[in-house]
Amino acid sequence: AQTVTQSQPEMSVQEAETVTLSCTYDTSESDYYLFWYKQPPSRQMILVIRQEAYKQQNATENRFSVNFQKAAKSFSLKISDSQLGDAAMYFCAYLNQGGSEKLVFGKGTKLTVNP
Amino acid sequence: GAGVSQSPRYKVAKRGQDVALRCDPISGHVSLFWYQQALGQGPEFLTYFQNEAQLDKSGLPSDRFFAERPEGSVSTLKIQRTQQEDSAVYLCASSFGGLYFGAGTRLSVL
Repeated sequence: AQTVTQSQPEMSVQEAETVTLSCTYDTSESDYYLFWYKQPPSRQMILVIRQEAYKQQNATENRFSVNFQKAAKSFSLKISDSQLGDAAMYFCAYLNQGGSEKLVFGKGTKLTVNP
Repeated sequence: GAGVSQSPRYKVAKRGQDVALRCDPISGHVSLFWYQQALGQGPEFLTYFQNEAQLDKSGLPSDRFFAERPEGSVSTLKIQRTQQEDSAVYLCASSFGGLYFGAGTRLSVL
């Protein structure tokens, strides 16, 4: 079974600074997707960024980018120019390609942004 | 509406009571998922529907949990004889080329 590990229960960053959230995963599959989701106190799970495992190029969405290291099974999220609205729980998630789209989530990292 | 809608947002139940949680997916979305999120944890898969067919219920923690989607649209997650350990946020998500989550129902069992 696939597992996702987020080793940082909490992180903090100063407004306008950069922060990196870590994620590692374990799988024997070669084709899969990786995601970062943001969950603010409202509980709405919001997709931040998505990476297909077959793509070598790291995904980027505005201030959010990933460092995908397939061999190391590592998928970190970098948030640049942090804003107060970035404060939330961040979950790393894994999905096998094909099948039922059953996401496997990590336990999350709580990000605090200090003004 | 434009997104996945879940009701109620909050539910308080006495231990032993039956509860029903509703999910209205995005119109036209074939796939629907239920996840359980305990306090301080990531969501964990409960069950999955494709249209009205329940294709995977491997995550349901006990036979007290039952989910249905009779017309392939709205889904209901039912928990019978609730226990304190059932207290969690129950998230519904629908999928069409991507997974879209509702805001969840927070269930508290006293």
